[in-house]
Amino acid sequence: RKEVEQDPGPFNVPEGATVAFNCTYSNSASQSFFWYRQDCRKEPKLLMSVYSSGNEDGRFTAQLNRASQYISLLIRDSKLSDSATYLCVVRSSNDYKLSFGAGTTVTVRA
Amino acid sequence: DVKVTQSSRYLVKRTGEKVFLECVQDMDHENMFWYRQDPGLGLRLIYFSYDVKMKEKGDIPEGYSVSREKKERFSLILESASTNQTSMYLCASSFRRINEKLFFGSGTQLSVL
Repeated sequence: RKEVEQDPGPFNVPEGATVAFNCTYSNSASQSFFWYRQDCRKEPKLLMSVYSSGNEDGRFTAQLNRASQYISLLIRDSKLSDSATYLCVVRSSNDYKLSFGAGTTVTVRA
Repeated sequence: DVKVTQSSRYLVKRTGEKVFLECVQDMDHENMFWYRQDPGLGLRLIYFSYDVKMKEKGDIPEGYSVSREKKERFSLILESASTNQTSMYLCASSFRRINEKLFFGSGTQLSVL
């Protein structure tokens, strides 16, 4: 079983719509959670960290559910520029390595 | 802003060749990493380094080696390239030992024929 699993999508949504997707992780000892964004043919960049209480950054909201071992990302009022692949990243407390999901692709259409 | 520079954007090599991928970061980061990214598999860690001359194996080190002679430079070496090493290679660096924010280079697409 993969350490981090994501629905690959693609999620095709119109501008202004809300889109949400999850990521599940297998290691219950995981301590830190992140969403990275990767544009087509570009390198990944940190979008936001995910805190236990949930957190927002503008139109983006991240949630953590430890009991069910998943994190989520919600994008409100989607923009064309939100089209990208979103990578779920998890760090175990046992080491310093990060585990990456394969990504969820979001396409926002005009 | 942090800059992580990879020496080549595209590289084509033949099976059996020795291949060097170079990575340089300009922010005095302690940690440096090499990942490969393949469709459907996500990023997989090959090797990482927390200090000069120090290296640790990641999840898929077979067929690769690394060198970190200077803090700013981390090289990935394919001793004898094979077709299954055709992939996108991404170098990354981070400041703290707990590597939460990674800064990535723009990647090297390596094709082994």
